[in-house]
Amino acid sequence: GQQVMQIPQYQHVQEGEDFTTYCNSSTTLSNIQWYKQRPGGHPVFLIQLVKSGEVKKQKRLTFQFGEAKKNSSLHITATQTTDVGTYFCAADNNAGNMLTFGGGTRLMVKP
Amino acid sequence: DTGVSQDPRHKITKRGQNVTFRCDPISEHNRLYWYRQTLGQGPEFLTYFQNEAQLEKSRLLSDRFSAERPKGSFSTLEIQRTEQGDSAMYLCASSLKYTQYFGPGTRLTVL
Repeated sequence: GQQVMQIPQYQHVQEGEDFTTYCNSSTTLSNIQWYKQRPGGHPVFLIQLVKSGEVKKQKRLTFQFGEAKKNSSLHITATQTTDVGTYFCAADNNAGNMLTFGGGTRLMVKP
Repeated sequence: DTGVSQDPRHKITKRGQNVTFRCDPISEHNRLYWYRQTLGQGPEFLTYFQNEAQLEKSRLLSDRFSAERPKGSFSTLEIQRTEQGDSAMYLCASSLKYTQYFGPGTRLTVL
């Protein structure tokens, strides 16, 4: 079945530093979704990328979809303590009826 | 608040007992999903409904697990003869198309 790998597993940063998490698949993806899960919370949808090479921004967050549609990244500029949580990428199975999640990157921000 | 509600939020049970969880999706969403999440991992897909039809089931869903969505609105997930390995967070999500909105989850502890 479809698998998505995410690195790193954990990242500690000082507040104000940048952060990036990477998502890779061995197969071409129809789209990639990103979710954020706060400690003790549930996954919250952030964005969906569909087009090859697509770049989308949400304030300090920049999302990219690779040209080959096999990888994606999420970059946070100037992290804040409110960015703490686990960031997951997820790929759907082309039919939109199931998501395969990566293992997540847990971000910790030191004030 | 995504609008998806789950009940109960926590369940502690003894090994061998049956448990049932309920999910109420966002009202206009025809798609409903169940996932399981263990500590430090991403959510794992269990099953998917479109309206009242169960269209997809993961191999993770053993014979002890059954899910229903009788009127195409709320859904129930039942686990029979619970085992300690069933301890996890059970997440429900709903969608109109591809973006999935997650509920707060039911945390199951099997003693």
